[in-house]
Amino acid sequence: GAVVSQHPSRVICKSGTSVKIECRSLDFQATTMFWYRQFPKQSLMLMATSNEGSKATYEQGVEKDKFLINHASLTLSTLTVTSAHPEDSSFYICSASGGVYGTDTQYFGPGTRLTVL
Amino acid sequence: KQEVTQIPAALSVPEGENLVLNCSFTDSAIYNLQWFRQDPGKGLTSLLLIQSSQREQTSGRLNASLDKSSGRSTLYIAASQPGDSATYLCAVPLNDYKLSFGAGTTVTVRA
Repeated sequence: GAVVSQHPSRVICKSGTSVKIECRSLDFQATTMFWYRQFPKQSLMLMATSNEGSKATYEQGVEKDKFLINHASLTLSTLTVTSAHPEDSSFYICSASGGVYGTDTQYFGPGTRLTVL
Repeated sequence: KQEVTQIPAALSVPEGENLVLNCSFTDSAIYNLQWFRQDPGKGLTSLLLIQSSQREQTSGRLNASLDKSSGRSTLYIAASQPGDSATYLCAVPLNDYKLSFGAGTTVTVRA
């Protein structure tokens, strides 16, 4: 089945620094990748949708200059949290769709826990 | 705008009891509905996907039903086990394949 990985699984950083999170589709070419964030005891909220080779589409209320998304290849998308602050601490999950698995189903990564001190 | 609601928010049952988890959605024009499992601090595992043309889908002890006209789906887990303890999320896709998630039902199965 489709496998999506994320790296790192957990990161702690100081306020004001930038953090990059990678999302990879390991066994298929993901034409579309999605980035979500999840606060404790809440559901997943979509942040942005990225298609390979084009600019990401951000959901309302998500700052595109703060959450930089790059989808440079069919197997890799990155989310960079710039000038991170404690309120950015959250669980970030990516998902991927496309390739041989079609566009109807998203396959989710294991998530990245970001803690900003 | 699609809104997805899950009731109850939390559920605790003794081992062996059957579980019934509910999901409702406001826009019945969906083309599928998906149930996921999420363990604490982990990503999502897809359990079942029901196409809009289907009434139910089964996998082992799991059975999910879909009633589009009433905007409801139910996930049944038979003979619950402590390993079933997790948060269960339902999600429906919007027109552009974006998923709209419910807040989840957190299940605790007591040994």
